[in-house]
Amino acid sequence: KAGVTQTPRYLIKTRGQQVTLSCSPISGHRSVSWYQQTPGQGLQFLFEYFSETQRNKGNFPGRFSGRQFSNSRSEMNVSTLELGDSALYLCASSPSVSGNTIYFGEGSWLTVV
Amino acid sequence: AQSVTQPDIHITVSEGASLELRCNYSYGATPYLFWYVQSPGQGLQLLLKYFSGDTLVQGIKGFEAEFKRSQSSFNLRKPSVHWSDAAEYFCAVGARGGAQKLVFGQGTRLTINP
Repeated sequence: KAGVTQTPRYLIKTRGQQVTLSCSPISGHRSVSWYQQTPGQGLQFLFEYFSETQRNKGNFPGRFSGRQFSNSRSEMNVSTLELGDSALYLCASSPSVSGNTIYFGEGSWLTVV
Repeated sequence: AQSVTQPDIHITVSEGASLELRCNYSYGATPYLFWYVQSPGQGLQLLLKYFSGDTLVQGIKGFEAEFKRSQSSFNLRKPSVHWSDAAEYFCAVGARGGAQKLVFGQGTRLTINP
């Protein structure tokens, strides 16, 4: 069974641009969440989706948004990029919304210059 | 609010020595607890989890962890480390009914001396 797949793995963007990251969950998993990892702040929860609905949102500005499609694939978007958005963005999936193991992808490395 | 503390930022042990990584959590009820490992440039790999039942849980790669409710701890142990265990280790807590929203500790970087 394939794991959580994230694309692209690496990207460089300029301040002010926007970026879209993609995540394909493990087959059969319907819950997807996103995390940001930085050296200073560590791992922080961004948002969680189940059945195309956002269930939870972390403490991030509105520039960070996401969505989930009917096939459970998810995208997150960051608009008006700032230098501080440089981070590893991790996607995770689980079969449902509670009481399940959460599996992470390899992440998307975003560098903002 | 939930929180996780990993008191040790960096630990160095010799290959073959035993290992214990500490994790303390703050949560109003019994949480879901996880340990993940991250190698440089990689994502997070699940080592083990505690949901309920036996408080000593076994994981992959010879790791185990013990949930101690009275101490709000979930320490990770391995009897004999291998050079390939060098990585960063994260403890995480999830709320029952909202397990996808994990709160992570700051991580413990493990270095193995040959």
